[in-house]
Amino acid sequence: EVQLVASGGGLVQPGGSLRLSCAASGFTFSDHYMDWVRQAPGKGLEWVGRSRNKANSYTTEYDASVKGRFTISRDESKNSVYLQMNSLQTEDTAVYYCVRVDTRYYFDYWGQGTLVTVSS
Amino acid sequence: DIQLTQSPSFLSASVGDRVTITCRASQGISSSLAWFQQKPGKAPELLISAASALHSGVPSRFSGSGSGTEFTLTISSLQPEDFATYYCQQPKSYPLTFGQGTRLAIK
Repeated sequence: EVQLVASGGGLVQPGGSLRLSCAASGFTFSDHYMDWVRQAPGKGLEWVGRSRNKANSYTTEYDASVKGRFTISRDESKNSVYLQMNSLQTEDTAVYYCVRVDTRYYFDYWGQGTLVTVSS
Repeated sequence: DIQLTQSPSFLSASVGDRVTITCRASQGISSSLAWFQQKPGKAPELLISAASALHSGVPSRFSGSGSGTEFTLTISSLQPEDFATYYCQQPKSYPLTFGQGTRLAIK
């Protein structure tokens, strides 16, 4: 059974940093792209970024709104993907979901989400 | 960027009704479109990929169609558990984008 468990959310001041983690199980982690998607309170879904699979050297892509501030990385030994968020702004307040990407590039499994609140 | 526009944004219907939600893309994306269902406080769930392929475990009352710039999600006979928010999404080009959502409420 595929499981994605996100953690690391919390309250942070504007300009601060936070690292989210997502522990994956139930599938071959290195074979899959892994993405982060966020949802501001009461709003729609917004793609944040991607870590490609091992075959593609775990290269990354980001939305323009977070490029240069957020970094996605992986630890293969822990079957985990991370989202390092720096220079956080109030508009980054959202529930952050880690998502598995299937071989046709669709989001087939979602974690439960972790809430990040940026506020003074 | 590819913009996805869903219509309507809000839909009120009754159990047993047939409903259709439309997603229009700002440029052609062939059949590269997914539909998700999200219930309050929960993560979204994949319903349909590649415009019309039902994801494993999704009831057959859900169907998708379309290609190019116009896509539809149809629920043939609404069940109580179908009242939720629905999103379309394109995986074809970066940045990946979602429609703004359609909230389906009980009439």
